[in-house]
Amino acid sequence: DGGITQSPKYLFRKEGQNVTLSCEQNLNHDAMYWYRQDPGQGLRLIYYSQIVNDFQKGDIAEGYSVSREKKESFPLTVTSAQKNPTAFYLCASAKEAYHNEKLFFGSGTQLSVL
Amino acid sequence: GEDVEQSLFLSVREGDSSVINCTYTDSSSTYLYWYKQEPGAGLQLLTYIFSNMDMKQDQRLTVLLNKKDKHLSLRIADTQTGDSAIYFCAEIGEDSSASKIIFGSGTRLSIRP
Repeated sequence: DGGITQSPKYLFRKEGQNVTLSCEQNLNHDAMYWYRQDPGQGLRLIYYSQIVNDFQKGDIAEGYSVSREKKESFPLTVTSAQKNPTAFYLCASAKEAYHNEKLFFGSGTQLSVL
Repeated sequence: GEDVEQSLFLSVREGDSSVINCTYTDSSSTYLYWYKQEPGAGLQLLTYIFSNMDMKQDQRLTVLLNKKDKHLSLRIADTQTGDSAIYFCAEIGEDSSASKIIFGSGTRLSIRP
């Protein structure tokens, strides 16, 4: 079955530590996205990638980094510079970046600070 | 910047209809979406409507669009316990780039027996 897999489901970060959230898709989609979800707020775009080896900052990129070395994978690193990292992180993909392609979402990673 | 607004909570009795409302500010919206999020899960696209349509029906779901008032609603007929979730309204503008989708804050629908 095709889909998007995020891991881990829960992640804890110590102060000063970088952590990496995994996102893998086997849908052969070109575009991939990372969103942050806080309680009572809409999704906010962190980074997105329309094609392999290319990515752009979203609305709240500070304190985060990404890579897109393979079409299937778009890992997100939450760096120590992100002072308020506790949130639910969602990865999504779309066949193309344009033309109203449907977004497919992973099941999310809950990141908490120890 | 553009904005999408929804009320945070809605409680309905099982078997009744649920109506979730949304307002948006982008006058160049081309597509408007309803996503469903179950606890601890990602978002699932329920339905969408193109901006030149007034209504779209899909089984128990009816979407109404009032473009003049920039108001979108989702009606769920015969609401069941499995409909308990957060429902997000979202819109996209003229360039239809998924990176430009704006999401509302979500409406948490709870079902009373």
